[in-house]
Amino acid sequence: DVKVTQSSRYLVKRTGEKVFLECVQDMDHENMFWYRQDPGLGLRLIYFSYDVKMKEKGDIPEGYSVSREKKERFSLILESASTNQTSMYLCASSFGKHTQYFGPGTRLTVL
Amino acid sequence: SQQGEEDPQALSIQEGENATMNCSYKTSINNLQWYRQNSGRGLVHLILIRSNEREKHSGRLRVTLDTSKKSSSLLITASRAADTASYFCATDAGGSNYKLTFGKGTLLTVNP
Repeated sequence: DVKVTQSSRYLVKRTGEKVFLECVQDMDHENMFWYRQDPGLGLRLIYFSYDVKMKEKGDIPEGYSVSREKKERFSLILESASTNQTSMYLCASSFGKHTQYFGPGTRLTVL
Repeated sequence: SQQGEEDPQALSIQEGENATMNCSYKTSINNLQWYRQNSGRGLVHLILIRSNEREKHSGRLRVTLDTSKKSSSLLITASRAADTASYFCATDAGGSNYKLTFGKGTLLTVNP
């Protein structure tokens, strides 16, 4: 079975802190994705990566950056966390244009 | 902008009843997928239907796709309390794009 793990289930940070969210997949998938999920807004794509060191902006990249140095690991970085980045963050991976496999999510609260 | 939009936003039924959720989308697609999310957890893939397919079954799930109407439906038969979850449709944008666009979901509550 595909396994996608995220570094934390719950995270509390202060405004202005630099935040790292890490995601690891064990199926050698080429594509990895970061979404945020907010009530009433559904899932929105922040960034995705289709290969090591390759990345593309999603629908809401402002305030975020990403890093993919190894195929199995995709990191989401909040350079200076703000309260409006309080959200559920979901990582996913896929092979080609098919099923995306999701991690359990990280609920981030920025105070 | 949202490619897929689910309808209804919320659905409450009794155990044993069937649940039907609908999804509409705007542009041409290669395939449409349905996902399920239990409260506070990640999404789990349920079923994928390709643009040249009209109907697909998986256990108690039945998915239909009408590309002329740009719509899909997910039917869960003989529902169980454990089916309580949010259900999302996801579409690709056609072509070679491997991004998926998710709708806002239907919250299904199955009462025991």
